[in-house]
Amino acid sequence: EDQVTQSPEALRLQEGESSSLNCSYTVSGLRGLFWYRQDPGKGPEFLFTLYSAGEEKEKERLKATLTKKESFLHITAPKPEDSATYLCAVPWGGQNFVFGPGTRLSVLP
Amino acid sequence: DTGVSQNPRHKITKRGQNVTFRCDPISEHNRLYWYRQTLGQGPEFLTYFQNEAQLEKSRLLSDRFSAERPKGSFSTLEIQRTEQGDSAMYLCASSAGETQYFGPGTRLLVL
Repeated sequence: EDQVTQSPEALRLQEGESSSLNCSYTVSGLRGLFWYRQDPGKGPEFLFTLYSAGEEKEKERLKATLTKKESFLHITAPKPEDSATYLCAVPWGGQNFVFGPGTRLSVLP
Repeated sequence: DTGVSQNPRHKITKRGQNVTFRCDPISEHNRLYWYRQTLGQGPEFLTYFQNEAQLEKSRLLSDRFSAERPKGSFSTLEIQRTEQGDSAMYLCASSAGETQYFGPGTRLLVL
């Protein structure tokens, strides 16, 4: 059973075209949901942690929200430099963190 | 630069050879993680250290894989008798709490 899923798998946007990425999880007793950005050939870069339903975090053009079973990463007026793979992760028993497969975002000028 | 560092950044080896990777965590972080990532997938948890103690290992981790963290500082990940299926990016992360900070990874290619 998939523990963390992300959609869409890939997303292509025009510069300035806002959209949202989804992360769904099945773990109970959530100890946090983590969003990362990963550029090709590099390690993931931490963006946000959300702990409870209704919580929101913002950073520049990105805003992350959390419900009981999913999280959204909203991208407002994206720029080409926002192009990357966006990963979400949840702790799954102890320190075993389970990552989703990611959403590959391309922002075209 | 006070981030997580990994060496080497790239490794090409022949099937059957042993390889060892090193990770230097952020100095004040007592938690250290190893992950493996293949193309198009998210990182897959391999193992976790708190200080020098290896507290968790993935059930999927082959006995050809071993990790150490002597003195609770740097860590090494060794793969014995490499197979072509071991080709992947090996990522190290460290943390003082729940948030993990990743290194740049070591890309392994097994020929």
